[in-house]
Amino acid sequence: GPKVLQIPSHQIIDMGQMVTLNCDPVSNHLYFYWYKQILGQQMEFLVNFYNGKVMEKSKLFKDQFSVERPDGSYFTLKIQPTALEDSAVYFCASSPTEDTQYFGPGTRLLVL
Amino acid sequence: QQQVRQSPQSLTVWEGETAILNCSYEDSTFDYFPWYWQFPRESPALLIAIRPVSNKKEDGRFTIFFNKREKKLSLHITDSQPGDSATYFCAASGQGGRALIFGTGTTVSVSP
Repeated sequence: GPKVLQIPSHQIIDMGQMVTLNCDPVSNHLYFYWYKQILGQQMEFLVNFYNGKVMEKSKLFKDQFSVERPDGSYFTLKIQPTALEDSAVYFCASSPTEDTQYFGPGTRLLVL
Repeated sequence: QQQVRQSPQSLTVWEGETAILNCSYEDSTFDYFPWYWQFPRESPALLIAIRPVSNKKEDGRFTIFFNKREKKLSLHITDSQPGDSATYFCAASGQGGRALIFGTGTTVSVSP
């Protein structure tokens, strides 16, 4: 199926530092999403985009989070400053329509 | 309040048996219900999905039964195989590329 790419695959940082997670969605997809999954739990929605613009944000999308699309292709999720509870796997997903979302491999973030 | 609920939390079946996974939801505006499966340390992948215009969707050994009046659905895995061992997430979303709301998952183990 379509491939969504995420970089890095793993990231370990100290609490209070900044981290940037990168996602390269499928090129012709218009919808884009970020989800957070704490170990052993379900995916929880953070933020989504349509045609490059933010559609909605969840209560999990704290003030310390920001999202950008620097050059019109890939997306970034930045956390500044990080907290211990930010440790999770962050998945991005993209979709060509309103339905099927294709998930990337995830970035495993550990905040010490 | 959990908008999408799943039961049981875990399920063990013998190879060849039928596994039945249950899901219920709260929001009557949800109109798209995908099931994703996730293997350890991997990203979730779409397994099968249904819209409320149908009460049944079948794809090989996987069948969704949908009851709109009761806001319930179930996933039946017939002739279960060891390779079906994974965590299965029921999800729901509204129209317009909205975020997926995931249930807490059912971990299925198929014993040979």
